[in-house]
Amino acid sequence: AQTVTQSQPEMSVQEAETVTLSCTYDTSESDYYLFWYKQPPSRQMILVIRQEAYKQQNATENRFSVNFQKAAKSFSLKISDSQLGDAAMYFCVVYNFNKFYFGSGTKLNVKP
Amino acid sequence: EAGVAQSPRYKIIEKRQSVAFWCNPISGHATLYWYQQILGQGPKLLIQFQNNGVVDDSQLPKDRFSAERLKGVDSTLKIQPAKLEDSAVYLCASSLGGGRGLETQYFGPGTRLLVL
Repeated sequence: AQTVTQSQPEMSVQEAETVTLSCTYDTSESDYYLFWYKQPPSRQMILVIRQEAYKQQNATENRFSVNFQKAAKSFSLKISDSQLGDAAMYFCVVYNFNKFYFGSGTKLNVKP
Repeated sequence: EAGVAQSPRYKIIEKRQSVAFWCNPISGHATLYWYQQILGQGPKLLIQFQNNGVVDDSQLPKDRFSAERLKGVDSTLKIQPAKLEDSAVYLCASSLGGGRGLETQYFGPGTRLLVL
């Protein structure tokens, strides 16, 4: 089974500051997809950003960007100018062999 | 575009009772997923459908859980009989299912189940 590791169970960031959430994974494939999903308290899970493994360029969506290091099997999420609405659980997800593999999540707290 | 719909949103039952959850995926999405998310953990895949066929149900406790997706659209997940450890949020998600770049999942709001 593929493994996805999020080593930071919980993190805190000051509003307007930048924070980076880490994710490492294990796969023998060269073609796969990576995602970061956000799950706010008592609200549904939504996609934050996605990255195709065959693309070298790091994906960016407004204040969210990734640092994809394919050789190191690392996929970190950077949130710039953090806002109170960014407080949530963040899940790193790998799509491989027609399945999605979830990390255990990182709880992000945003301090005003 | 309408999102993934789930009902009910909340359910409280006693152990050994039965319960059913319903999911309506996004129109045109061939793949449908049911996840179990225990408090403080990441989602665990219970079953994955491609149209009305089962792709993966390796983590579905088949002695008590069952799921179907008739006509390749709506799906129901049933628990019979429920145990205390089944208390969780049950998430339904769907994706286009065409592979290679079409596999972004869209999640419903979930059904929060409490077994007493």
